Amino acid sequence: EPEVTQTPSHQVTQMGQEVILRCVPISNHLYFYWYRQILGQKVEFLVSFYNNEISEKSEIFDDQFSVERPDGSNFTLKIRSTKLEDSAMYFCASSGPPAGPGEQYFGPGTRLTVT
Amino acid sequence: GENVEQHPSTLSVQEGDSAVIKCTYSDSASNYFPWYKQELGKRPQLIIDIRSNVGEKKDQRIAVTLNKTAKHFSLHITETQPEDSAVYFCAAMAGSYQLTFGKGTKLSVIP
Repeated sequence: EPEVTQTPSHQVTQMGQEVILRCVPISNHLYFYWYRQILGQKVEFLVSFYNNEISEKSEIFDDQFSVERPDGSNFTLKIRSTKLEDSAMYFCASSGPPAGPGEQYFGPGTRLTVT
Repeated sequence: GENVEQHPSTLSVQEGDSAVIKCTYSDSASNYFPWYKQELGKRPQLIIDIRSNVGEKKDQRIAVTLNKTAKHFSLHITETQPEDSAVYFCAAMAGSYQLTFGKGTKLSVIP
């Protein structure tokens, strides 16, 4: 069964550094998402992406964040200048077709630690 | 925006008993309600979902019910097994593609 994959599994970076988190969505999916989960808390929406542009973003997704689909398979999240509070698990998700955009499948996550 | 409340935050049941987790949502435009299971250190896994035109959906030992009037939906797990132990998250989606999650329920099934 196809799955969303993410790299790296764990990223440690110093405050102020840039990080790029990578995702390979399920191949025929058209909708892509980033979520984050601070340890022990709920999953929070960051951004959705469709047809090569951002569909929606949350208030968390400020100017420090950007997303890109540089080729036909990868979907990336960039944090330009990391802060301590960016430490979290970042999940990529993708959806449809054949299911609708709601049926979102999550990748294994990248644990980002900002020191 | 949408707000999803989930109860209880922790739930312990004996193996073989049933477990019920309840969620309420605030946005009456929400029309899709998935449930995710997350084992420690792993990805959230979609286990069942329901759309607003349906009142109940079953898949083997799990079922979800939806009451649109009251704006609440519930997950029911029957004949619980130790491997059902995990954190369960409910979520809601309105017209956009954004999922709003509840805070999660840690289910422990005691053998």
